Amino acid sequence: NAGVTQTPKFQVLKTGQSMTLQCAQDMNHNSMYWYRQDPGMGLRLIYYSASEGTTDKGEVPNGYNVSRLNKREFSLRLESAAPSQTSVYFCASNPSGGLTYNEQFFGPGTRLTVL
Amino acid sequence: GENVEQHPSTLSVQEGDSAVIKCTYSDSASNYFPWYKQELGKRPQLIIDIRSNVGEKKDQRIAVTLNKTAKHFSLHITETQPEDSAVYFCAAKEGRGSTLGRLYFGRGTQLTVWP
Repeated sequence: NAGVTQTPKFQVLKTGQSMTLQCAQDMNHNSMYWYRQDPGMGLRLIYYSASEGTTDKGEVPNGYNVSRLNKREFSLRLESAAPSQTSVYFCASNPSGGLTYNEQFFGPGTRLTVL
Repeated sequence: GENVEQHPSTLSVQEGDSAVIKCTYSDSASNYFPWYKQELGKRPQLIIDIRSNVGEKKDQRIAVTLNKTAKHFSLHITETQPEDSAVYFCAAKEGRGSTLGRLYFGRGTQLTVWP
């Protein structure tokens, strides 16, 4: 049981380049989330997927797109990277985000630098 | 949406002393309050949580209290040890509306325990 996995672990991009961050979970969870973590700012929600086939914007969605490919996988795409997107990105999942009290499990993170 | 404030942003204590971290939230419908610990370079991990129908919960050296009337909750760590040094995040789970189930995080508290 790997839990939540993310690839890559580290990435350096030039301004304007695009890339996709991959996330997968093997816990059969319904809900998946993408956060970014910046110093002193806590964890801010970018996008989430309450269940397979649905996605919604979080607090800071500008400059990002997501795809819930299937129940296991939830990817985050940067179409044209900007230095302001330099951050650590965490994917998370939980069994069901709605009317239940479940732990969110986090992946190991992707450290992204945009030059 | 929900707004979670966390204080202090940094906290230094001597080994063996107690540490208290406080959070306030804005939405009275929030119903679940987890605390996460994040060691340097690692992913956030749940250490304790409390539901809105409970006033206090304890797990060995860690306790959480919730005051629903005042809309604040606190993390208490007793007999602190150097391995307690980490960033701690509080969060509140929204209990109604289109963002049902989302977690809103505080900005984090860097706890340092000096031997």
